[in-house]
Amino acid sequence: EVQLLESGGDLVQPGGSLRLSCAASGLPFSTSPMSWFRQPPGKGLEWVSTISAGASSTYYADSVKGRFTISRDNSKNTLYLQMNSLGVEDTAIYYCARYYYISGAQRLFDYWGQGTLVTVSS
Amino acid sequence: IQLTQSPSSLSASIGDRVIITCRASQAITTFLAWYQQKPGKAPNLLIHAASTLQNGVPSRFSGSGSGTDFTLTISSLQPEDFATYYCQQLNNYPITFGQGTRLEIK
Repeated sequence: EVQLLESGGDLVQPGGSLRLSCAASGLPFSTSPMSWFRQPPGKGLEWVSTISAGASSTYYADSVKGRFTISRDNSKNTLYLQMNSLGVEDTAIYYCARYYYISGAQRLFDYWGQGTLVTVSS
Repeated sequence: IQLTQSPSSLSASIGDRVIITCRASQAITTFLAWYQQKPGKAPNLLIHAASTLQNGVPSRFSGSGSGTDFTLTISSLQPEDFATYYCQQLNNYPITFGQGTRLEIK
């Protein structure tokens, strides 16, 4: 059974930092690109960032570029999101998801975690 | 790439056939997915590659389209189908979503 378990969400003050983790099991993590998404309370879904399987390539939404860093530790089957300079607009549930990407012919996010809540407030 | 879903909300009855549309601001071939999301839950992939049913998803769900215009059809609504539906384009970065369609019981 595939499991993606996010952790690290918390209440943080504006300007603060937080690191999210996503522990994966039941899938070939080291060969799977991974992504983070977020969803502000009561609003729609937003893609945040994607990292390739070997971590050689990373991609970011403009809204987080320069503030967030995606990384992974394939020896620990864990994905990370380092979030700096947080603002109230970053308040959201953050989800990790596996990006199934086969030579561009198949592209889908097939497994998602349950999410972790990040609240940015003074 | 902007995705525009319509309608934004929809009231329907059990057994109804429902169609949700998603229009892309530029051509995305068939790199489009549909998700169902229930309150307090993560999105659940229904359709990928515009028309491929994800494993385990009931056959009453179907998708079609290519280029800029796509549809999600639910052939006969069941009680568990009342949820919010999102389209997503994976043609290029940034990956984007439609604003969502909330499907409610009439």
